Amino acid sequence: IMLTQSPATLSVTPGESISLSCRASQSISTNLHWYQQKPNESPRVLIKYASQSISGIPSRFSGSGSGTDFTLNINRVEPEDFSVYYCQQSNSWWTFGGGTKLELK
Amino acid sequence: QVQLKESGPGLVQPSQTLSLTCTVSGFSLSSYGVIWVHQPPGKGLEWMGGIWGDGSTDYNSALKSRLSISRDTSKSQVFLKMNSLQTEDTAIYFCTRCNNYDYFDYWGQGVMVTVSS
Repeated sequence: IMLTQSPATLSVTPGESISLSCRASQSISTNLHWYQQKPNESPRVLIKYASQSISGIPSRFSGSGSGTDFTLNINRVEPEDFSVYYCQQSNSWWTFGGGTKLELK
Repeated sequence: QVQLKESGPGLVQPSQTLSLTCTVSGFSLSSYGVIWVHQPPGKGLEWMGGIWGDGSTDYNSALKSRLSISRDTSKSQVFLKMNSLQTEDTAIYFCTRCNNYDYFDYWGQGVMVTVSS
């Protein structure tokens, strides 16, 4: 199963609210998870099963979607949110999307 | 608390075998799977393979012929061996705990491996 993330790069200013997209090549129900990776750090999980929150993750991060189309929303981007975001599916083996880089405008 | 830490050589010669160790704490290898993920410089993440609580293994089909994953539960360690290394295997190698066979909830810091003569 292939995951396509868009856009590849998103330039925003702090305070903006944004949506990142992840599209699966076939239906994966809600077996889709989101990660954030800051430079020179390991990824950390933000959202599990498309929309379920993770303990310790700020509430400005939320997820939605099912089937083939998924969205990660960040409500009012903070300076520490500039990083790369990956989606990952677990419906059939495990694969990651190519990532979306969130950068400062 | 849950921790994972990778260790191994930073430099491997082409055609040689890479051996990495992931030492875990805060959970039992008999209860959770541990997965290896690699990330070439400036690129994305790729699942390599993993070992589950029952000791069974799964491998990415693209790497299966070169990859072996094993464990020592008494030492809380998971091992990765990959042979016939090429320059394109240069990457950061992470081990991560897999929750419910689905998502990766804890990650090691990663180890950079360079394949070069």
